[in-house]
Order: sequence, then C-alpha cells, then structure tokens
Amino acid sequence: AQSVTQLDSHVSVSEGTPVLLRCNYSSSYSPSLFWYVQHPNKGLQLLLKYTSAATLVKGINGFEAEFKKSETSFHLTKPSAHMSDAAEYFCVVSELDQAGTALIFGKGTTLSVSS
Amino acid sequence: AAGVIQSPRHLIKEKRETATLKCYPIPRHDTVYWYQQGPGQDPQFLISFYEKMQSDKGSIPDRFSAQQFSDYHSELNMSSLELGDSALYFCASSLVGMPSYNEQFFGPGTRLTVL
Repeated sequence: AQSVTQLDSHVSVSEGTPVLLRCNYSSSYSPSLFWYVQHPNKGLQLLLKYTSAATLVKGINGFEAEFKKSETSFHLTKPSAHMSDAAEYFCVVSELDQAGTALIFGKGTTLSVSS
Repeated sequence: AAGVIQSPRHLIKEKRETATLKCYPIPRHDTVYWYQQGPGQDPQFLISFYEKMQSDKGSIPDRFSAQQFSDYHSELNMSSLELGDSALYFCASSLVGMPSYNEQFFGPGTRLTVL
C-alpha cells in the first residue's frame, strides 16, 4: 500500500530565504506524486505533479520538486519565500494510473513566513 | 476556465439529521471523488465514481451514500449525522484520457457543521 510521510509538521522561514518541505513516499509501483497547497479556509490547489517524466518538476509560484527514487523522496523547494506562501502544504501519492483512484495525502506541513 | 462547483458552501445541521452535498465537475470530466477533511487533519478519501459507476471506496461510513448522475454531477448523502461528521468536504474531478488520470481538480469544499 502506498503512503506519504511529511517529515516536518511546521516549517518557519524568513521572507526571501529558501523553503524546503520534505516528503518521503512508500509505493509498490511507480507512483504519481503531487504537492497541493491549502490557504486558510480555502480549497486545495495543485502546485506541481510528477508522473514518471522528468525527475525535476517545476510548478507554479516558483516551487519545484525533485523525484529521487533511490531515496523515495519528493521534497518541495523554493529559492525565495514570499509572505503569500504561508499556507498548509500536502504531499500526495497516487499509485494506480486509472480512473477513480484515490489520492493519499500526507499529514501536511504548515509553512510560516516572517518578515 | 470552469472549475468544480460544490453546493452548498456552508451547511449547519443538528445531530441525527440528514444532509446532501452536491458536486458539479469540470465540464467533460467523467470521474468524481469525495474527500473529508476534519479540523487540522489531512483530506481522507471517501469514494469515487467513473462513468456513473463506483470506482474506488475509502473510509466512507455506512451512514453515507453517494452517486453520480447521467450529467456527471454527484451527490453525497449523509444520514444520522454525528458531531464527528463536522468537516470540510471536498469534491474533485478528473478526465479519463488526460495525460495523467489521477490529476484531480478540487472544488472549494462544503463546510458541514453538526451541532
């Protein structure tokens, strides 16, 4: 069965400094991996996705993630944090590429950005 | 671009009452998913439908039922509501034939409060 582990429940950075949100996954097959962001009292927005193409994936708002099979990791990074990046981030895995397959969410990482 | 529509956005019910949540997928999307997000929790998969047939089933209580209609919209019916059912309920949709079946587009959610 697939699962994801977000290694930090809370990350605090200063505006303009790099962001690193860590995620490890477990999967029996070649997984699809996603990062979603949720701002307070808002819905879920897709930041980026990995689906067995390039291992370095670029997403929206300057975020990117690198799929490392040997480390079973899919860490999310951003070179320079902005105040508007403060939100909840979810690492998500989906194992089977077929209609109706559930997404499995990690527990989430709360990103705080201070000025 | 059109997004997933959920109604109502907010719902307040008493214990033991029933509730019906509606989801209208992105036009032409044929697969619908339901997720439940409790306070401070990660979203948990409930159930999905592809072409009006149940596709995958997660941690959906027996008190809940769902279906997808001929126009692809879906309804989540919840009976004998309990305090623990208070949560944000997300609907997501996807389209078979997209590069990745499991890229799901989320609606804004319905916040259910059970008193």
